[in-house]
Amino acid sequence: NAGVTQTPKFRVLKTGQSMTLLCAQDMNHEYMYWYRQDPGMGLRLIHYSVGEGTTAKGEVPDGYNVSRLKKQNFLLGLESAAPSQTSVYFCASSYPRTGQNTEAFFGQGTRLTVV
Amino acid sequence: QQPVQSPQAVILREGEDAVINCSSSKALYSVHWYRQKHGEAPVFLMILLKGGEQKGHDKISASFNEKKQQSSLYLTASQLSYSGTYFCGTANNAGGTSYGKLTFGQGTILTVHP
Repeated sequence: NAGVTQTPKFRVLKTGQSMTLLCAQDMNHEYMYWYRQDPGMGLRLIHYSVGEGTTAKGEVPDGYNVSRLKKQNFLLGLESAAPSQTSVYFCASSYPRTGQNTEAFFGQGTRLTVV
Repeated sequence: QQPVQSPQAVILREGEDAVINCSSSKALYSVHWYRQKHGEAPVFLMILLKGGEQKGHDKISASFNEKKQQSSLYLTASQLSYSGTYFCGTANNAGGTSYGKLTFGQGTILTVHP
């Protein structure tokens, strides 16, 4: 049981380049999220999706785009990378339960450096 | 707004106890606790829902005081394996309207020495 898988695990980009981070989950979860983690800042929500074909902005969406064409996949795109986007990116998924919040399952993270 | 965790860091010897606090300026529906080891993904510990319940998991327990908008994580008789960064994540609405979105605190680094 793989859970949540992120690719790639590491990447170095030059300023202005673009890239896509892939997140795949095999738990049939409806909800998926992209967070970024910076030292001393905890995890901050970039974008999220509540089902196939839906996306919504989180706390820090600027400079990122997302797509969820298939239920199991959630893609995060950087159109023109900036050094401020140097971070560790985590994908997570969870399942909805009426009236409750449920645990999120996280991927192993992607360490992105923009030079 | 991000919840505030205290302390920022704590160092223990095996067998000692610790308390990590999480405070929010907003009304809370639930508080989630995660532990993250260096270079790894955050791992779920427990959820506390509105109602002031207290939960336990082995020697790790937590409480939720919704009136004070605070949660505390209690680590009893700490083990080396408890080392890591602990995050609280807060939700202001029930699952159906918050869609599981969490606002995380900045983290508390816990180090347990032999």
